[in-house]
Amino acid sequence: GAGVSQTPSNKVTEKGKYVELRCDPISGHTALYWYRQSLGQGPEFLIYFQGTGAADDSGLPNDRFFAVRPEGSVSTLKIQRTERGDSAVYLCASSNPGGGNEQFFGPGTRLTVL
Amino acid sequence: KQEVTQIPAALSVPEGENLVLNCSFTDSAIYNLQWFRQDPGKGLTSLLLIQSSQREQTSGRLNASLDKSSGRSTLYIAASQPGDSATYLCAVSADRGSTLGRLYFGRGTQLTVWP
Repeated sequence: GAGVSQTPSNKVTEKGKYVELRCDPISGHTALYWYRQSLGQGPEFLIYFQGTGAADDSGLPNDRFFAVRPEGSVSTLKIQRTERGDSAVYLCASSNPGGGNEQFFGPGTRLTVL
Repeated sequence: KQEVTQIPAALSVPEGENLVLNCSFTDSAIYNLQWFRQDPGKGLTSLLLIQSSQREQTSGRLNASLDKSSGRSTLYIAASQPGDSATYLCAVSADRGSTLGRLYFGRGTQLTVWP
């Protein structure tokens, strides 16, 4: 596709449930990033993939959060036992390190935990 | 830890004014700096990317400068228009090892340009 896409655009769930958020990066981009943005704040880093492996997962807040990128393209962010504090917009970005590592963002998934 | 600060937090101006948005960062060891635009309820649109070896970049009415040693960047918007109304975010990426890719963001400057 022409840009980064994310599904779903909105997700409403109940406290304690499991959710999966999907990101399709720009074709050919080897690096993929997940960020989380709360209202009135700048995005905060969660995890960064180079190819299939997580190069840096230091931003994941706790072990309820997990992300995979099994074939080096699509990535899924998984949140177990959701809490109300997980409510935020989850943003995905991709980049091609050979292109100066400029990051291109998707539209985000707005997660609401009731 | 890298800290990014943006001033002002909000700005409201009449159409036609030239604007300056400021960004500062605490660790000068950066790989690059990006300016983004974010419209309400939307994702981020990349405006300009400045590599650490560069001093400025220009795109249309936008000009961004970088003074790496002093930890500052400025986004200049010429002849502002109502369509420029959005939140502008500054972000830097670290230049060390495995943290090469991650971006550190400021909280943004919310710009309103009225006709």
